[in-house]
Amino acid sequence: DAGVTQSPTHLIKTRGQHVTLRCSPISGHKSVSWYQQVLGQGPQFIFQYYEKEERGRGNFPDRFSARQFPNYSSELNVNALLLGDSALYLCASSIGQGVVTEAFFGQGTRLTVV
Amino acid sequence: DQQVKQNSPSLSVQEGRISILNCDYTNSMFDYFLWYKKYPAEGPTFLISISSIKDKNEDGRFTVFLNKSAKHLSLHIVPSQPGDSAVYFCAAGRTGTASKLTFGTGTRLQVTL
Repeated sequence: DAGVTQSPTHLIKTRGQHVTLRCSPISGHKSVSWYQQVLGQGPQFIFQYYEKEERGRGNFPDRFSARQFPNYSSELNVNALLLGDSALYLCASSIGQGVVTEAFFGQGTRLTVV
Repeated sequence: DQQVKQNSPSLSVQEGRISILNCDYTNSMFDYFLWYKKYPAEGPTFLISISSIKDKNEDGRFTVFLNKSAKHLSLHIVPSQPGDSAVYFCAAGRTGTASKLTFGTGTRLQVTL
């Protein structure tokens, strides 16, 4: 069984540009969440989507947006990139919303903003 | 406001001995706790979890203990193996917010021969 897959694995962008990161959850999982991990810190929650609706949002500016598609895959978009957006972006999938379950992570996308 | 804290940034343990990783939390609304292991250039890998209705959960070499009154949990690894060397993250969540986890800053475990 395929786990959570993210693309691309690495990305270099220039300040001010826009970036789109992609995530495919584990088959059968309907919830996708996005996290940002900067060096030396734990992952920070950005968004959760369940059944194509935003169900939670962390303390991130409006430059960050996301969506979930009918097949439950998801995109994270970041506009007007800043140097401080350089981080590992992680996608996690879980079965549902109402039941507390484990969240399974992809390998992440390493974004470098120069 | 750091709601989940791992106060030891690093820990070194000899192979075969017990590794104890600690985690404290401040938000009493958390009712589900998880431990993840992370190697460089990989995403976190789920290890073990515990619900707030329990005080202990075991899975092979891994045991998690929860002390709700102290808002403290710990992960015990017995016996420790060199392959356990990684960064360990404690995470907390609330029922109904399955993937909205709050993570600690991690503890780097080094298991030496």
